Amino acid sequence: AQSVTQLGSHVSVSEGALVLLRCNYSSSVPPYLFWYVQYPNQGLQLLLKYTTGATLVKGINGFEAEFKKSETSFHLTKPSAHMSDAAEYFCAVSDQGNQFYFGTGTSLTVIP
Amino acid sequence: EAGVVQSPRYKIIEKKQPVAFWCNPISGHNTLYWYRQNLGQGPELLIRYENEEAVDDSQLPKDRFSAERLKGVDSTLKIQPAELGDSAVYLCASSLEGGTGELFFGEGSRLTVL
Repeated sequence: AQSVTQLGSHVSVSEGALVLLRCNYSSSVPPYLFWYVQYPNQGLQLLLKYTTGATLVKGINGFEAEFKKSETSFHLTKPSAHMSDAAEYFCAVSDQGNQFYFGTGTSLTVIP
Repeated sequence: EAGVVQSPRYKIIEKKQPVAFWCNPISGHNTLYWYRQNLGQGPELLIRYENEEAVDDSQLPKDRFSAERLKGVDSTLKIQPAELGDSAVYLCASSLEGGTGELFFGEGSRLTVL
């Protein structure tokens, strides 16, 4: 079975500071991992994904994430937060089939 | 290319009333998902279709929820009768066959049951 744990339901950072959103997963098979962003009253939009290959993946809007198998983690980072980054972020794992499991989300606040 | 289209965006109903949500996936996407997202939570799967076949409906409350995807394209999710606890955002997503692909989400249908 697959599951996702996002540590910290709310994260606040100052504009220009590092953004770090944590995600740990459990999977009985090699996982495919995703980060999605959700702006108010909108659907989820893919930020980045890891399937195979390079463990450091880059996504849109300057975000990146690193797959660490030994730590079963897939943390999301961005070197410098922008006001427009304020949103809800969801980590998700897929079992290489068509099943996706989402975390409970982390709300990011950016302080001017 | 058009994205996933959902309607209505917002719906307010009295409890015990019926409600229906419609989803049109991205053209060519054979896999369609309905998720429910409660406030402050992540999406939870209700049902997954491969073409017109419901291949995973284990989390669908079948006493009041039903769904169909008759021609393997658009889909309808129905609740009858609605309960207060059904207030949530109902998200539709689609993908190409295979788990490596991403999910493409619609904007969601926000249901409020009074």
